[in-house]
Amino acid sequence: KQEVTQIPAALSVPEGENLVLNCSFTDSAIYNLQWFRQDPGKGLTSLLLIQSSQREQTSGRLNASLDKSSGRSTLYIAASQPGDSATYLCAVGNAGNMLTFGGGTRLMVKP
Amino acid sequence: GAVVSQHPSWVICKSGTSVKIECRSLDFQATTMFWYRQFPKQSLMLMATSNEGSKATYEQGVEKDKFLINHASLTLSTLTVTSAHPEDSSFYICSAAAANQPQHFGDGTRLSIL
Repeated sequence: KQEVTQIPAALSVPEGENLVLNCSFTDSAIYNLQWFRQDPGKGLTSLLLIQSSQREQTSGRLNASLDKSSGRSTLYIAASQPGDSATYLCAVGNAGNMLTFGGGTRLMVKP
Repeated sequence: GAVVSQHPSWVICKSGTSVKIECRSLDFQATTMFWYRQFPKQSLMLMATSNEGSKATYEQGVEKDKFLINHASLTLSTLTVTSAHPEDSSFYICSAAAANQPQHFGDGTRLSIL
């Protein structure tokens, strides 16, 4: 059974810092990996989707990498802003378009 | 982009009543819809998967008779929480996916049972 772990569970940083969120998974036979953002009381917004054959994806200040063999992914946020404050969820895509979610990292960026 | 609408966004009801939550794909045909439950400060837990015209597949530990799922068309799935009790209070999120495409998520429904 696939298990997804995110570290740290919570993170508080001053505005402007570059930061890295970590995601690890136990079964490397994945189809893809996605990073989502969730604001309090809201649904999920997809940030980046990395196919199993890819190593990384970039969107603006966000960069996600994937090392399938070691079961790891990182989300890099450059020059963090208070508006980046949210919970970031990592989800591994398996057969049948099923997603297994990590526990999330709650990020607070202080002005 | 693909849009998924979930309704209602928030519902409060008395214990013992049944509550229906709708999930609609607005601009694509969703061959598969997923229902998740999320407790405060926890991640999403998959409750069930439904394919259009078929019975839903429930995850272990999810009561089929408690959480009725209907996926009657390629754009609509409903989750009915029957005889709801306070312990059913939670945040419910649906997602929809076209064939071999990523899931797109609704905005969630906050259910509070008094």
